[in-house]
Amino acid sequence: DAGVIQSPRHEVTEMGQEVTLRCKPISGHDYLFWYRQTMMRGLELLIYFNNNVPIDDSGMPEDRFSAKMPNASFSTLKIQPSEPRDSAVYFCASSPASLRGETQYFGPGTRLLVL
Amino acid sequence: DQQVKQNSPSLSVQEGRISILNCDYTNSMFDYFLWYKKYPAEGPTFLISISSIKDKNEDGRFTVFLNKSAKHLSLHIVPSQPGDSAVYFCAASALKSSGDKLTFGTGTRLAVRP
Repeated sequence: DAGVIQSPRHEVTEMGQEVTLRCKPISGHDYLFWYRQTMMRGLELLIYFNNNVPIDDSGMPEDRFSAKMPNASFSTLKIQPSEPRDSAVYFCASSPASLRGETQYFGPGTRLLVL
Repeated sequence: DQQVKQNSPSLSVQEGRISILNCDYTNSMFDYFLWYKKYPAEGPTFLISISSIKDKNEDGRFTVFLNKSAKHLSLHIVPSQPGDSAVYFCAASALKSSGDKLTFGTGTRLAVRP
C-alpha cells in the first residue's frame, strides 16, 4: 500500500487566495483526520470523518476552513480566504476502524505558506 | 490553552547515552498516552503508548513512564542511536469522555551525536 497520500506537498500563496489541500487515505480505512502543525501549538486535530461523514469539527479554527469527504478515497481541506497565520504543515491521517492513536497513519503533510 | 506540554523544544545527546524526553499534561481526564516520532518531510509515526492503569511500558530501547499524581510522563531511549534523531510528540486522549481524540504537545527535537 502506498500509505496516505497528500497533495500538494508544498503550497505558497498570497493572502486572500483560496487554498485546497487534498488527501487520499489508505484503502479500507474508515476514519480520516486532518491535523495542523505549528511551532506554537504543535499538532492540532481540526476535523475527523468516519465513513465519509464529518463527526467532530470542533478543531476547525474559523469559518474560513472547510473540509469534505465526497467518497472513501478522497478528502479536501479548503481555506478561503487564506491568511498568513494559516501558514503551517497540514497532515492527513487515516485509521482502519478506530480513533485510537496507535492505528492512525499519517501522510507526509502539506507545507503551506501564505504571504 | 495547551493541555499537553513539552517544555523542552530540543535535546542533544551523545550516541550510546540515555535520552529522556518529558511531557506534562493538565487535563485529569486523560487516561491514555502516546509518543510519536517524526522525521523531516514525513508524517508522525506511532512509537509507544501507555494506559493510566500502568506506570511503565517498555518496547525494546524505548520505555515510557507515567506519573499520574504529577501529571507527567517521560520517554527514555537507551541506548540512543543517531537514527533516533527526530522530533518526538507526546499525545494524550480521554478514552471515556472525548472518544479517543488525540491532544498533542508541541514536540521535542532530539539530536543524537555520533
